Amino acid sequence: LAKTTQPISMDSYEGQEVNITCSHNNIATNDYITWYQQFPSQGPRFIIQGYKTKVTNEVASLFIPADRKSSTLSLPRVSLSDTAVYYCLVGGTGGFKTIFGAGTRLFVKA
Amino acid sequence: SAVISQKPSRDICQRGTSLTIQCQVDSQVTMMFWYRQQPGQSLTLIATANQGSEATYESGFVIDKFPISRPNLTFSTLTVSNMSPEDSSIYLCSVEEGAAGTFYNEQFFGPGTRLTVL
Repeated sequence: LAKTTQPISMDSYEGQEVNITCSHNNIATNDYITWYQQFPSQGPRFIIQGYKTKVTNEVASLFIPADRKSSTLSLPRVSLSDTAVYYCLVGGTGGFKTIFGAGTRLFVKA
Repeated sequence: SAVISQKPSRDICQRGTSLTIQCQVDSQVTMMFWYRQQPGQSLTLIATANQGSEATYESGFVIDKFPISRPNLTFSTLTVSNMSPEDSSIYLCSVEEGAAGTFYNEQFFGPGTRLTVL
């Protein structure tokens, strides 16, 4: 399973766009990139998943360059409620175990 | 999306005792996963549990310490045996399902069981 590296923490203000970049230099051909969000005292929650280029859903966008050695989670116009830990994961899907890295603690300030 | 419940939500236990954590899913799933999350830390995978077969444990985790049952496709238990204060942690179960409208799979997590060992 590919190892991921992401910033330990980030600060932002309400209304700003937040971009969290994750490095995964050893990503394998059949690996997907998945991001999870975790609030205190809750289990992680799936945000977005992609394989290449750009993926967008109602809460975030995921940008993946052609070499797939990194990815960027983009949260548009964050609010205080987006304060959480964000995990970048790389691995197969369909029965493959999910290994969590250290995650990025995002603090959104008023 | 799968809805997962865990019992108990929290417990305080004495050293040397055992606690069994239950995980119930509202749909049938092939694989269930058990994680541990120590305060302020990331999640660590303990084992993967398939119905009808023995669980597969990750490095550093053994069946004698963390026996797992998976009697059917909607239920699993994790037992933390002969507990010590180092076992104080949040234990989470999760399942994997296909994300709606995509070819991808996503994991759904239970609310966790907060265990304190005195």
